[in-house]
Order: sequence, then C-alpha cells, then structure tokens
Amino acid sequence: GAVVSQHPSWVICKSGTSVKIECRSLDFQATTMFWYRQFPKQSLMLMATSNEGSKATYEQGVEKDKFLINHASLTLSTLTVTSAHPEDSSFYICSARLRGRGAFFGQGTRLTVV
Amino acid sequence: QKEVEQDPGPLSVPEGAIVSLNCTYSNSAFQYFMWYRQYSRKGPELLMYTYSSGNKEDGRFTAQVDKSSKYISLFIRDSQPSDSATYLCAILNSGNTPLVFGKGTRLSVIA
Repeated sequence: GAVVSQHPSWVICKSGTSVKIECRSLDFQATTMFWYRQFPKQSLMLMATSNEGSKATYEQGVEKDKFLINHASLTLSTLTVTSAHPEDSSFYICSARLRGRGAFFGQGTRLTVV
Repeated sequence: QKEVEQDPGPLSVPEGAIVSLNCTYSNSAFQYFMWYRQYSRKGPELLMYTYSSGNKEDGRFTAQVDKSSKYISLFIRDSQPSDSATYLCAILNSGNTPLVFGKGTRLSVIA
C-alpha cells in the first residue's frame, strides 16, 4: 500500500525555539499534502494544504508565519513551528492523497514545548 | 448542519460481536468515502475506500454506501480487543480538496 512517512515521531523543545517536521510519500508522488493538528480525544483539525512548488493554503485561524509549510518536491512537505510556545504542544499529522486509492496519513508527530 | 455527522460514542461491545459504525453526510457532491482506524497517539490508518453505492468487503470489514440516503456504514465482524480504537469516516470531493472527517467513534471491544 501507499506509505507516508513522518519524522520525528515525537519531539520536545524549549519555548521560543523552532521545530521542523518532515512528511514524505515513500512510494508515490503527491502534488498536494495536508497538515492536521489533533488535540487529545478530538478529531483532526485541518491546518493547511501544502502544494508542491507554490504557497500553502492555510485554514482560517491558522497563523501562516508561525506554521511555515514548504513543499519543495513531489515527495516531501515540511512543517516548521516557529517560536514554539507551550500552547503549540499537540499531535501533528500529515496526509497525502493517491488518486483512486484514497488518502494516507503519516504516523504523526507529538510536539511538547516546555 | 455539519457536512459529516458521526456519533462519537463511546461504543463498548463484547469480543466476537458485530460492530456497526455509521456516518451521514449532507453534500450530494461527495464522491469518495473512506473509513480510518486510529489508535491512540498514532496516525489514522486507511481501512476502506469506496466510491460507489453498495458494499465492499475486506476480511472482517464491510463498508456500505447509500448515496440516495447520504449514509455510510462500516461493519466489523467477529470483533477483537485489538479492534479497540477510534474509527473515523471521511468523505472526499473530486480534485485535491482535503478530506471532510466525522468526529470519530471510540470503540472498545471487551474480552
């Protein structure tokens, strides 16, 4: 099946620092990837749509300067949480769609900001 | 009305029971229907992907779509404790639009 790999699976960082999360489609090309955030016992909340070679499209209420998204190739999208604060602590998940097969998710990244 | 409605549960069943999970949706333009299983602190895992009305079976899982009623179901036969997870329905339009998720149903299968 289609595989989406996300790295790191968990990270702890100090308040004020930046953290980069990578999302790779291992066996297919993805012109579009999606980034989600999930709080405990809640459903996934779409943050932004990442488009290869162009700017990401952010959902209402998501700060684009805080959550930098880069989709430099057909198999890699990155999410950088800049100047992280404790309230940014959450579970971040990426997804990529494979036409005719559905959408596949990465393993998720648990971010803890201390 | 939300685009996708799903009863969040929790749902608790004994081992071996048949589980029925359901979602309704409001937009008749939706074309693709998926069910995901999510374990705690993991990314969602795609279980079933369908795009037409009717049934699709894969092992112990059966996905059912009724486009006329805008109703989708997932059945799990011979449920196992390892099936305990949150199950999310997701619906998709054409193109590169994002998935529209239900809230997820928490299922516990008791041994």
